[in-house]
Amino acid sequence: EDQVTQSPEALRLQEGESSSLNCSYTVSGLRGLFWYRQDPGKGPEFLFTLYSAGEEKEKERLKATLTKKESFLHITAPKPEDSATYLCAVQRGDSWGKFQFGAGTQVVVTP
Amino acid sequence: DTGVSQDPRHKITKRGQNVTFRCDPISEHNRLYWYRQTLGQGPEFLTYFQNEAQLEKSRLLSDRFSAERPKGSFSTLEIQRTEQGDSAMYLCASSGDDEQFFGPGTRLTVL
Repeated sequence: EDQVTQSPEALRLQEGESSSLNCSYTVSGLRGLFWYRQDPGKGPEFLFTLYSAGEEKEKERLKATLTKKESFLHITAPKPEDSATYLCAVQRGDSWGKFQFGAGTQVVVTP
Repeated sequence: DTGVSQDPRHKITKRGQNVTFRCDPISEHNRLYWYRQTLGQGPEFLTYFQNEAQLEKSRLLSDRFSAERPKGSFSTLEIQRTEQGDSAMYLCASSGDDEQFFGPGTRLTVL
């Protein structure tokens, strides 16, 4: 059975303190891995899609990387507005419509 | 606002009642997804439409849940004979490709 595990569950950072979030997955025939940001009471907001091992994507202070077993979301010099829950999701090649999400990492950045 | 909209935003119902939620996707998107999310968890896939065709449905979904997307536009999710375990946030998303855009969700409380 496919599994998506995110760690840590929660992360508290000082402003400017860089860190990484992990998304490990067990999926047969991965087509894509997706990162989302979710603020309290809102729907997830798309950040990145990664399709192949070695691929990297960047957006402002965020950088996502992908290996054959896991993905990392690096947050460089975070600001308080980066506080959110970060979710990863996997999409199988034989089931494009079905996305399986991890439980998320709740990030709090303090000034 | 041209984003995904959901109605109602909040619904309180008594156990055993039927409820129906509506989702209006971004107009040019042909793919539509329904998810359920409980506190501290990632979104859980419920069902997926491509245009008006329901192509995937979670095995976790009991017969009490049904979804439609007539004419490939808006979609409805109905829950019959609600149970307290149905209390959750119900999220709708749409996409034209792999990037999903989520609506704000409908929060269901079953008393």
